[in-house]
Amino acid sequence: AQSVAQPEDQVNVAEGNPLTVKCTYSVSGNPYLFWYVQYPNRGLQFLLKYITGDNLVKGSYGFEAEFNKSQTSFHLKKPSALVSDSALYFCAVRDNFNKFYFGSGTKLNVKP
Amino acid sequence: NAGVTQTPKFRVLKTGQSMTLLCAQDMNHEYMYWYRQDPGMGLRLIHYSVGEGTTAKGEVPDGYNVSRLKKQNFLLGLESAAPSQTSVYFCASSYLGTGSKGTQYFGPGTRLTVL
Repeated sequence: AQSVAQPEDQVNVAEGNPLTVKCTYSVSGNPYLFWYVQYPNRGLQFLLKYITGDNLVKGSYGFEAEFNKSQTSFHLKKPSALVSDSALYFCAVRDNFNKFYFGSGTKLNVKP
Repeated sequence: NAGVTQTPKFRVLKTGQSMTLLCAQDMNHEYMYWYRQDPGMGLRLIHYSVGEGTTAKGEVPDGYNVSRLKKQNFLLGLESAAPSQTSVYFCASSYLGTGSKGTQYFGPGTRLTVL
């Protein structure tokens, strides 16, 4: 069965420091992996996806994610955090039937 | 393009009442989904549709019904609301075009409270 785990409920980082939000997955077949961001009282917004190719995927707002097949991980990263990056981040995996499975979400707090 | 829209934005029901949530998308997407979001549980798939006239069950379908009579609309119905259905409901749509690989586009959500 497909599943996604986000082991951290919350990540705290100072503005200007690098950030990492962790995600591990379990999927049969080739993984299609996604990151979404949710701001308060809003729907989810697409950040980036991994389908195939380079393990480092670049997305919106300066975010990137590193796909690691051996560790079944897809961690979200940003070299320099902004206060405006504070939000709820979701990792998701898509199966062969185009159904998505979401992690429980990680709240990112960026402090000035 | 309006993208994905949801109606209503907020609703309070009493136990046993019924209601329908409407999702509309103007992107000509084949796939549409209904999720519920509860604290600490992420998004859970209720039902989804792979095209007009077709629907399928997701992870948590009990107590809900759906219909996709038109490609652009996906309706979620609660026949007899229960307090356990208090949640935020999100609709999403996607297509499988080259490069997209099913990227989902979400509506703004409907906050439902069942008393």
